[in-house]
Amino acid sequence: DVKVTQSSRYLVKRTGEKVFLECVQDMDHENMFWYRQDPGLGLRLIYFSYDVKMKEKGDIPEGYSVSREKKERFSLILESASTNQTSMYLCASSQTNGGSEGGALNEKLFFGSGTQLSVL
Amino acid sequence: AQTVTQSQPEMSVQEAETVTLSCTYDTSESNYYLFWYKQPPSRQMILVIRQEAYKQQNATENRFSVNFQKAAKSFSLKISDSQLGDTAMYFCAFMKHAGAQKLVFGQGTRLTINP
Repeated sequence: DVKVTQSSRYLVKRTGEKVFLECVQDMDHENMFWYRQDPGLGLRLIYFSYDVKMKEKGDIPEGYSVSREKKERFSLILESASTNQTSMYLCASSQTNGGSEGGALNEKLFFGSGTQLSVL
Repeated sequence: AQTVTQSQPEMSVQEAETVTLSCTYDTSESNYYLFWYKQPPSRQMILVIRQEAYKQQNATENRFSVNFQKAAKSFSLKISDSQLGDTAMYFCAFMKHAGAQKLVFGQGTRLTINP
């Protein structure tokens, strides 16, 4: 069964702390994504990666960075956490082309269960 | 840039009723995908239904169906015979057919099914 695992379900940090959110997928997917979810705003893309060591900014990258040293792991880093980064963070992965279901997998994203981060 | 708008922040219906969630989007792309995702209290995002823009036939998955109006850029979700387990946040989302598989989400609609 497909699995995207986020290391923490809930996290509480202090302002100014460096925060790491980890995401691991076991499907050998090329693409990985970080979204943040806020009430009334839906999900917004922070960063994504389509290969190891490759990254691209999403719609709201300010205050965040990412790391993808291995194909299965995509980390989101808050260099100096601020209260406005209190949010739900969702990781997702997808395969670029083909796959066992042929084209049917191309546009399907698999999501983790989210990390609710509170910055105090 | 693409935008997705869900104008109903909350909806509530009785069990077994039919409910329709609205979604409009804006894009200059001619080929794309549209999705409805469900997020129950467990927070796990579940794909409910998908529609390819070049297909005129509306997608259907059991009790879930869509009304896709490409010219009007409208993509509503109809849930028939609603069940308590349908209680969740529902997100409409857009993805370009080519390039990176980035999803653009709407604001979400919180749906409550009452017994």
